[in-house]
Amino acid sequence: GENVEQHPSTLSVQEGDSAVIKCTYSDSASNYFPWYKQELGKRPQLIIDIRSNVGEKKDQRIAVTLNKTAKHFSLHITETQPEDSAVYFCAASPNNAGNMLTFGGGTRLMVKP
Amino acid sequence: DTEVTQTPKHLVMGMTNKKSLKCEQHMGHRAMYWYKQKAKKPPELMFVYSYEKLSINESVPSRFSPECPNSSLLNLHLHALQPEDSALYLCASSRNSGWDIQYFGAGTRLSVL
Repeated sequence: GENVEQHPSTLSVQEGDSAVIKCTYSDSASNYFPWYKQELGKRPQLIIDIRSNVGEKKDQRIAVTLNKTAKHFSLHITETQPEDSAVYFCAASPNNAGNMLTFGGGTRLMVKP
Repeated sequence: DTEVTQTPKHLVMGMTNKKSLKCEQHMGHRAMYWYKQKAKKPPELMFVYSYEKLSINESVPSRFSPECPNSSLLNLHLHALQPEDSALYLCASSRNSGWDIQYFGAGTRLSVL
């Protein structure tokens, strides 16, 4: 089955700096890669997703890049704000398994004011 | 409305009890999911229902029994659980079982004594 590795496990940045979180996946059949943000005690919420036919996607301060050859994808957050502090999970879904998401281990992002 | 509602929010049960978790969505989604999330870990997929039929069962012990009475409701029946089953149980739904955004409920925090 799919295996998703996520790094770093914790990330501390100063407000206004950029944050980058990286994920690698094992199943070359994976074609859908969402990113979820989970604040303490709350539900995971999708912040951005990318499909395999696209190499990069941007939504305001958030961007995701995908390298299918290397089987890795990254989340970039620019101009970080204290409210960006949360746990971020990447996930991957293989082409032949519907919407069966396998999550990475998570990154705890702390943005210091 | 992108709301997935889960009840109860908290549940404490003994190992001999029988209880049920409920999940409801009114977005017309035809795929629904159960995940288990332990503290400081990512969500782990348990079951997937597509068009009210169980399509994926991730080798979950039989003491967890899912049920999908209709396209808006998803239940998880619990019986003879173990203390290690204590976790946050998350429900999610998506438009269909393809690569669609999964919307998560707030979860039921379960404690097994």
